[in-house]
Amino acid sequence: QVQLVQSGAEVKKPGASVKVSCKASGFTFTTYGIHWVRQGPGQRLEWMAWINGANGDTRYSQKFQGRVTITRDTSATTAYMELSSLRSDDTAVYYCARNGYNYELDYWGQGTLITVSS
Amino acid sequence: DIVMTQSPLSLPVTPGEPASISCRSSQSLLHSNGYHYLDWYLQRPGQSPQLLIYFASRRASGVPDRFSGSGSGTDFTLKISRVEAEDVGVYYCMQALQTPLTFGPGTKVDIK
Repeated sequence: QVQLVQSGAEVKKPGASVKVSCKASGFTFTTYGIHWVRQGPGQRLEWMAWINGANGDTRYSQKFQGRVTITRDTSATTAYMELSSLRSDDTAVYYCARNGYNYELDYWGQGTLITVSS
Repeated sequence: DIVMTQSPLSLPVTPGEPASISCRSSQSLLHSNGYHYLDWYLQRPGQSPQLLIYFASRRASGVPDRFSGSGSGTDFTLKISRVEAEDVGVYYCMQALQTPLTFGPGTKVDIK
């Protein structure tokens, strides 16, 4: 079955960087893209970025441009999201989600809580 | 960016009764291929979001047929024909027409 398993929760200090992993299984990794979406406390879901599973092309939300980098390791069937220059308002649960054939987010990871605090 | 709004933001429901949520986008979600790129997701308490509806009206695999989606252009509706206890959570609409993908504020559904 399709699974996206994310790395564990982390606590970071302001100004630091964090890298979250998303291990995929149950499908051909290079056939599907992966989105990254975050949810701050009491906030709506917020799209951050997308990586094309076939060729590694990326798209980023302008809000995070320059601070977020998404990559993938096809041999490890894992996608990564790195966010730099962390601020307190980056405290959120970060999700990876598979991009389905019809551009829907059809499977989601369990989420990774990133807490930014001094 | 396309702005998504929803109403109501809170919806107390009675099991067995119908429920309806509205979603509006700041511009048409109609693609040149004839499909509306509007999805619905349910986030149960403490869980990740799960896909319910895509292309405005197509149920995702495994989604009960009590859920239905409709609408066109900028106005869309999610209906639950008979609410069950497991349907509690926050419902989000999302436009997938263009990046950045954008979500509505969510509608919290709970049992009266």
